[in-house]
Amino acid sequence: ETGVTQTPRHLVMGMTNKKSLKCEQHLGHNAMYWYKQSAKKPLELMFVYSLEERVENNSVPSRFSPECPNSSHLFLHLHTLQPEDSALYLCASSQGGDNSPLHFGNGTRLTVT
Amino acid sequence: GQNIDQPTEMTATEGAIVQINCTYQTSGFNGLFWYQQHAGEAPTFLSYNVLDGLEEKGRFSSFLSRSKGYSYLLLKELQMKDSASYLCAVLDSNYQLIWGAGTKLIIKP
Repeated sequence: ETGVTQTPRHLVMGMTNKKSLKCEQHLGHNAMYWYKQSAKKPLELMFVYSLEERVENNSVPSRFSPECPNSSHLFLHLHTLQPEDSALYLCASSQGGDNSPLHFGNGTRLTVT
Repeated sequence: GQNIDQPTEMTATEGAIVQINCTYQTSGFNGLFWYQQHAGEAPTFLSYNVLDGLEEKGRFSSFLSRSKGYSYLLLKELQMKDSASYLCAVLDSNYQLIWGAGTKLIIKP
């Protein structure tokens, strides 16, 4: 039990579909993150929320849309994705301090067909 | 640009010692993290170094030299469960995390 739960674990979607990834943290943290992990590449930060406000958007295409309704929940809404968006999407949370370690969920393995 | 280098893959024998290196070139430095990630699982925090020297935590130790832009993770008495990817990440001057691509460690009996 990592304290950060992501659903679904696996998702296959067509390019015209709309789907959402869900993340929930049970650690009382005040910052939440979405990362993209592709094989043999460094983790790519997509979005950061601190105290439910978005503080970072690293030039992510608009087909990815985050939502943070409260400090415990984070969503990533997906629409009209491309095959190159296939990857492992990791959610993480932290206390919000500059050097606080990240606590990751197990990720959603996304395949776009 | 900012860059983190670590070997792509390493192989070691059960019971032995292995050292995984990480070199970095970043705009400023506010600490270095090591994470462990088993296949199909979440990365988990191993260590954080901000001052030079060696920090030991059980079978795992992490070393930092800021002047050389260099760190290593030392794993002793290797066990099969240590087979995983090890991720190095640096906090730059803006407190942004810069990640390496990870080192896949394979442990053989």
